[in-house]
Amino acid sequence: GAVVSQHPSWVICKSGTSVKIECRSLDFQATTMFWYRQFPKQSLMLMATSNEGSKATYEQGVEKDKFLINHASLTLSTLTVTSAHPEDSSFYICSARRPQGSGHYEQYFGPGTRLTVT
Amino acid sequence: GEDVEQSLFLSVREGDSSVINCTYTDSSSTYLYWYKQEPGAGLQLLTYIFSNMDMKQDQRLTVLLNKKDKHLSLRIADTQTGDSAIYFCAGWRGDMRFGAGTRLTVKP
Repeated sequence: GAVVSQHPSWVICKSGTSVKIECRSLDFQATTMFWYRQFPKQSLMLMATSNEGSKATYEQGVEKDKFLINHASLTLSTLTVTSAHPEDSSFYICSARRPQGSGHYEQYFGPGTRLTVT
Repeated sequence: GEDVEQSLFLSVREGDSSVINCTYTDSSSTYLYWYKQEPGAGLQLLTYIFSNMDMKQDQRLTVLLNKKDKHLSLRIADTQTGDSAIYFCAGWRGDMRFGAGTRLTVKP
């Protein structure tokens, strides 16, 4: 399968600061990447869809000014959590979509980034 | 409401077969997927099935799809302790929609 990396794997920051998480597709080009958030013992919640060269599409209820997404190249998308608060503490997982032909895509996931805001 | 529903827990003994079930509401999903998540890790794609198929087998994994009942299942043959994880089913309709996940515990 394809490889998607995330950096950092975990980060602790203070309230009010900003944190940037990187998501890279290592062996394929991804025009579309997705950012998910996962609370303990819960499923993944789609936050936004990141399209290379254009603005991200945010899901309802996700603050676009708080969760800034940039997809500047075909292999890199970044999520910046601005003015972080303790309630932003969560496991953030990115995913990259790779076309398989015939309108089919496979979606590969990064290992996740655990954010703790103190 | 939820697009995809799963039972939350399943416990089996090593060597037995595991069957994880999933129901979905949106019949427009063209592909249905099974992912595995181990503690503290991302999701690993296990297998997927196209919506016009009834069954797909891949080594120890068998996926069954009942389109009429909108029911998807994942059978793991000869379950091992390393199979202990959370299993998510997901449907694709432009983006991936996940069930809540089934926590599989394999007892030695």
